[in-house]
Amino acid sequence: DGGITQSPKYLFRKEGQNVTLSCEQNLNHDAMYWYRQDPGQGLRLIYYSQIVNDFQKGDIAEGYSVSREKKESFPLTVTSAQKNPTAFYLCASSNRQYSNQPQHFGDGTRLSIL
Amino acid sequence: AQSVTQLGSHVSVSEGALVLLRCNYSSSVPPYLFWYVQYPNQGLQLLLKYTSAATLVKGINGFEAEFKKSETSFHLTKPSAHMSDAAEYFCAVSEEGYNKLIFGAGTRLAVHP
Repeated sequence: DGGITQSPKYLFRKEGQNVTLSCEQNLNHDAMYWYRQDPGQGLRLIYYSQIVNDFQKGDIAEGYSVSREKKESFPLTVTSAQKNPTAFYLCASSNRQYSNQPQHFGDGTRLSIL
Repeated sequence: AQSVTQLGSHVSVSEGALVLLRCNYSSSVPPYLFWYVQYPNQGLQLLLKYTSAATLVKGINGFEAEFKKSETSFHLTKPSAHMSDAAEYFCAVSEEGYNKLIFGAGTRLAVHP
């Protein structure tokens, strides 16, 4: 079945540590997205990529980095510069050519500070 | 600029009662509108979408939404709530040529016996 796989489901970060969240899709979608979800704040866009080797900052990119070396993969690194990383992180993908197409979401990674 | 407002961060209904979740949007051009549902510790699942065809859109699990341009609204309804409908619901807007979704803050639906 086609879909988006996020791993790990739970992740713990120590002070000063960078951690990387994995996102893989087999939907053949060009566009991929990373969102952060905090209680009562909905989803906020961190980074998005519309094509391989290209990505743009979203609304809250500070303290995060991404890469897009393969169409299927869009990993997110939460750096030590992100002082409040505890949140639920969601990855999504969509068909870039059609704005009326919905985004498909993975099941998320919950990140906590040790 | 696009924006989405969901009125009511929490809605509580009795099992079998009407569900009404409100969504108003702001867009300078005809929008594309979506409703998603999120169960605890899961991703978002698409309920339905409006993409300029019929103004009354039917989705999964008995939900439907009506696009009203004059009211800039896209409210989600279900005639009879079920316990399994308890979840968080998000309204989102996009525009032609604009490949990002703007989400509302979400409405948490509680269904009690």
